[in-house]
Amino acid sequence: NAGVTQTPKFRILKIGQSMTLQCTQDMNHNYMYWYRQDPGMGLKLIYYSVGAGITDKGEVPNGYNVSRSTTEDFPLRLELAAPSQTSVYFCASSYRVAQFFGPGTRLTVL
Amino acid sequence: RKEVEQDPGPFNVPEGATVAFNCTYSNSASQSFFWYRQDCRKEPKLLMSVYSSGNEDGRFTAQLNRASQYISLLIRDSKLSDSATYLCVVNLYRPNTGNQFYFGTGTSLTVIP
Repeated sequence: NAGVTQTPKFRILKIGQSMTLQCTQDMNHNYMYWYRQDPGMGLKLIYYSVGAGITDKGEVPNGYNVSRSTTEDFPLRLELAAPSQTSVYFCASSYRVAQFFGPGTRLTVL
Repeated sequence: RKEVEQDPGPFNVPEGATVAFNCTYSNSASQSFFWYRQDCRKEPKLLMSVYSSGNEDGRFTAQLNRASQYISLLIRDSKLSDSATYLCVVNLYRPNTGNQFYFGTGTSLTVIP
């Protein structure tokens, strides 16, 4: 199993541009999550999903959107990139206990 | 009040030392508990689950005290490769929100030769 995979690994955006961060898991986990981690800080939950077709906001959802059309995929969309969205983005999945994380996407907005 | 609180450190210890990290959580209904390890610029990785009876994995021992809402991690015979940030994580299942994980901000450990 590949576990949780994320693409791209790195991206530089200009202010106002949009992009989609991809996340895929092959463990058939119901739950998926998106977090951001700013330098020297803890993880903050952006959005989560308890199953295909169901998504909900986390602690810091503003400026982001998600969809969950399949169990495997949970893309995160940034519509109008802002410098405050410069961060490392981690996707995670879980069944009931313990989360497993992808390698992250390092995003810089200039 | 934060769901999970950890001493951020940093802890700088010599090789071979024993070091302990502590964590407290605020919601007594929390159900599952974990320690994760995060290396610089990498994703968090599950180190071990934490059980009320205490559990050990090699040099690592984790303990949970539900009455005090307190979790600990003990590392014996520290190695240079143990240098990382250790995250305390608490899981709470609610019918309306499903499975939620609450992370501490992490405790930084540097093992010095």
